[in-house]
Amino acid sequence: AQSVTQLDSQVPVFEEAPVELRCNYSSSVSVYLFWYVQYPNQGLQLLLKYLSGSTLVKGINGFEAEFNKSQTSFHLRKPSVHISDTAEYFCAVSANGGSQGNLIFGKGTKLSVKP
Amino acid sequence: ETGVTQTPRHLVMGMTNKKSLKCEQHLGHNAMYWYKQSAKKPLELMFVYNFKEQTENNSVPSRFSPECPNSSHLFLHLHTLQPEDSALYLCASSQGSRGYEQYFGPGTRLTVT
Repeated sequence: AQSVTQLDSQVPVFEEAPVELRCNYSSSVSVYLFWYVQYPNQGLQLLLKYLSGSTLVKGINGFEAEFNKSQTSFHLRKPSVHISDTAEYFCAVSANGGSQGNLIFGKGTKLSVKP
Repeated sequence: ETGVTQTPRHLVMGMTNKKSLKCEQHLGHNAMYWYKQSAKKPLELMFVYNFKEQTENNSVPSRFSPECPNSSHLFLHLHTLQPEDSALYLCASSQGSRGYEQYFGPGTRLTVT
């Protein structure tokens, strides 16, 4: 069975500083990996996805993530954050190759950007 | 309306009440989902519907009863809930072959008293 671990429940950072949100997964088969973002009082929004090909994936709002198969990680990064990036970020892995929509989510990381 | 909408946004109900949550997607998708989001816990997938047919029920108690009359609408009927059922209930939709790319509604914040 697949599982996702987000090691940090909260990450405070100053505006314009770089940030990395960590995600590790476990799976015995090939997986698809995703990051979703949830702004206050909103639903989740897909930030980026890794399906195959290049291990460096770029998403919306300047975020990127790197798939590392040997370390079973999919960390999310942004070189310079803005106040508007304050949100909760969820890493997810697909079961059954993704087409069935069976996403397994981590517990989330709350990113708090301070001026 | 665009995207995925959910009503009501907030709901307070007693344990003996019966209420329903509504979700509507305006994206032309054919799959819809109900999730439960509780504090400090991962999102829990509750139900999945593909082309109006239920394809997933993750051992959800029978006090939660889903209904999908067509590919655009999804309901969650609630009855005799428990306080631990208080949570944010999220609806999502996707296009069948890209089930991983789900579009979420804003959720209904449910409080059971």
